[in-house]
Amino acid sequence: SQTIHQWPATLVQPVGSPLSLECTVEGTSNPNLYWYRQAAGRGLQLLFYSVGIGQISSEVPQNLSASRPQDRQFILSSKKLLLSDSGFYLCAWSKGDSRQETQYFGPGTRLLVL
Amino acid sequence: AQSVSQHNHHVILSEAASLELGCNYSYGGTVNLFWYVQYPGQHLQLLLKYFSGDPLVKGIKGFEAEFIKSKFSFNLRKPSVQWSDTAEYFCALSGQGSYIPTFGRGTSLIVHP
Repeated sequence: SQTIHQWPATLVQPVGSPLSLECTVEGTSNPNLYWYRQAAGRGLQLLFYSVGIGQISSEVPQNLSASRPQDRQFILSSKKLLLSDSGFYLCAWSKGDSRQETQYFGPGTRLLVL
Repeated sequence: AQSVSQHNHHVILSEAASLELGCNYSYGGTVNLFWYVQYPGQHLQLLLKYFSGDPLVKGIKGFEAEFIKSKFSFNLRKPSVQWSDTAEYFCALSGQGSYIPTFGRGTSLIVHP
């Protein structure tokens, strides 16, 4: 069966520090991968998605970037965090051979920037 | 552009009450529709989905949703809620041919025992 992991679960970082959040998927190959930010009362905002290694699409201009160095690894990064980057970040995957499949979500990372 | 609107942001019910959460969407083509649920402290997970065929779809835990194309709606229903249904519910759509799903803002449901 497929599983998705995210770490860390919680992170407290000072403003201006770098960020690296990691997401890995097991039990499937060539998944579509997604990074979302979830804010209370505002739903899920899609930040990035990837349909293959090295292929990243950004949905919103922001202080963050994403990379996919391996097939089942998706990393969310920042060189200098802003206060407004605080939030709950979710990674998700869907089957890569379809554009309309169900998404499977990770446990999320709660980021607090002080 | 595609969008999803969930009208109820907060719903409070007593156990055994009936539930209907509204979801309307905007998209100019064939859509796939989803309801996801996030129980306290748990992953966001699929509740049910509609791709094609019977517009009345049944999901886990007694939930169902009806796709009404003429109304651009996909409302979620359950005849009798339980305390364990307390969660946040998200409606989502994916236009056919798109990798990018769109989520509604979510509805927080609290069920009192």
